[in-house]
Amino acid sequence: DGGITQSPKYLFRKEGQNVTLSCEQNLNHDAMYWYRQDPGQGLRLIYYSQIVNDFQKGDIAEGYSVSREKKESFPLTVTSAQKNPTAFYLCASSIGQPGTEAFFGQGTRLTVV
Amino acid sequence: AQTVTQSQPEMSVQEAETVTLSCTYDTSESDYYLFWYKQPPSRQMILVIRQEAYKQQNATENRFSVNFQKAAKSFSLKISDSQLGDAAMYFCAILTGGGNKLTFGTGTQLKVEL
Repeated sequence: DGGITQSPKYLFRKEGQNVTLSCEQNLNHDAMYWYRQDPGQGLRLIYYSQIVNDFQKGDIAEGYSVSREKKESFPLTVTSAQKNPTAFYLCASSIGQPGTEAFFGQGTRLTVV
Repeated sequence: AQTVTQSQPEMSVQEAETVTLSCTYDTSESDYYLFWYKQPPSRQMILVIRQEAYKQQNATENRFSVNFQKAAKSFSLKISDSQLGDAAMYFCAILTGGGNKLTFGTGTQLKVEL
């Protein structure tokens, strides 16, 4: 079945450690996105990528980094510079053409202790 | 920059009744698309309905319809014959920048009561 896979579903890390969240899609989509979801704040865009080897900062990119070495993969690294990393993270992908919907993964809940 | 505002944090509706969720947006772009997404307790985001800004006709998808007022920058969602399975968080979103950027509102939690 085609879809977007985020792993792991739950992730715990100690403060000061970098952590990488995985996002893989087999939909042959060009565009991929990372969102952060906090209670009462909706979804906020962290990074997005329209093609391989290219990506742009979203609204809250500070403390995060991404790579897009393969079309199907868009991992997100939460660095120690991110001051409040505990959140729910959603990955999405789309064909990348105007008006097309985004398909979402099931999310990763990151807790930093 | 674009913004999306959902002024109703929570809404309740009786089963089989109709409810309308509000959404306003702001963008300087002339070409954009609007969406309503549903997030049930599983937290899986599901597309409910889509509206192209250049179309005057309001989109409809079974029990879901929108009231798109372009001049007022308003995009409300009407759910008819509400069902228990409609209980979820609903997000309004705008797609701009040639399809590059999808911006979400803060969401409305919909409760469906027997």
